[in-house]
Amino acid sequence: DQQVKQNSPSLSVQEGRISILNCDYTNSMFDYFLWYKKYPAEGPTFLISISSIKDKNEDGRFTVFLNKSAKHLSLHIVPSQPGDSAVYFCAATAYYGGATNKLIFGTGTLLAVQP
Amino acid sequence: DAGITQSPRHKVTETGTPVTLRCHQTENHRYMYWYRQDPGHGLRLIHYSYGVKDTDKGEVSDGYSVSRSKTEDFLLTLESATSSQTSVYFCAISESRMTSRSYNEQFFGPGTRLTVL
Repeated sequence: DQQVKQNSPSLSVQEGRISILNCDYTNSMFDYFLWYKKYPAEGPTFLISISSIKDKNEDGRFTVFLNKSAKHLSLHIVPSQPGDSAVYFCAATAYYGGATNKLIFGTGTLLAVQP
Repeated sequence: DAGITQSPRHKVTETGTPVTLRCHQTENHRYMYWYRQDPGHGLRLIHYSYGVKDTDKGEVSDGYSVSRSKTEDFLLTLESATSSQTSVYFCAISESRMTSRSYNEQFFGPGTRLTVL
């Protein structure tokens, strides 16, 4: 049972426009959410995160929105640049009182930004 | 960049042979993780470690074992490789998560592409 879902395997946008990547989750115990970016032949790199006590977090061109009632988060990239072309993974974690940082990842969305 | 290296970076092996992948960190982070990445599945946790000699299973641990004899090294062993274990393997590290309002992100290594024929 997939607890974190990214239903769009791919997305294509024009340079300068907005990219919106979506992620849904099922586990109401998740309290922290992250987005990772991955280029071919490299490891994933952390992009941006959000705590469940917030509904928005912004970092430069990247903004993550969290809708807890809908169990949905989205990543907005404005404006999109060709260098943003990569696979984006949504991930979630729950704090059960232990110190572990175990993440549950979605299946990823391949973003292609066309010049 | 976090100091994480993986070796080998590429390996081709035959079904039934043992394989060991190594992850080495220079960050002195407490937690280390092994993931596999497969099309349509994203990243799935195989095993993780929360200290020297302390390890636990992830969601896809069957057919894999791990060992951590030093803080800096985390080994993943396929005792008898199968074709279904053909994948890209990533190691990650992180510090402890101390509260529900904080998070220390995981840093990933460059990956090992394993092909089992």
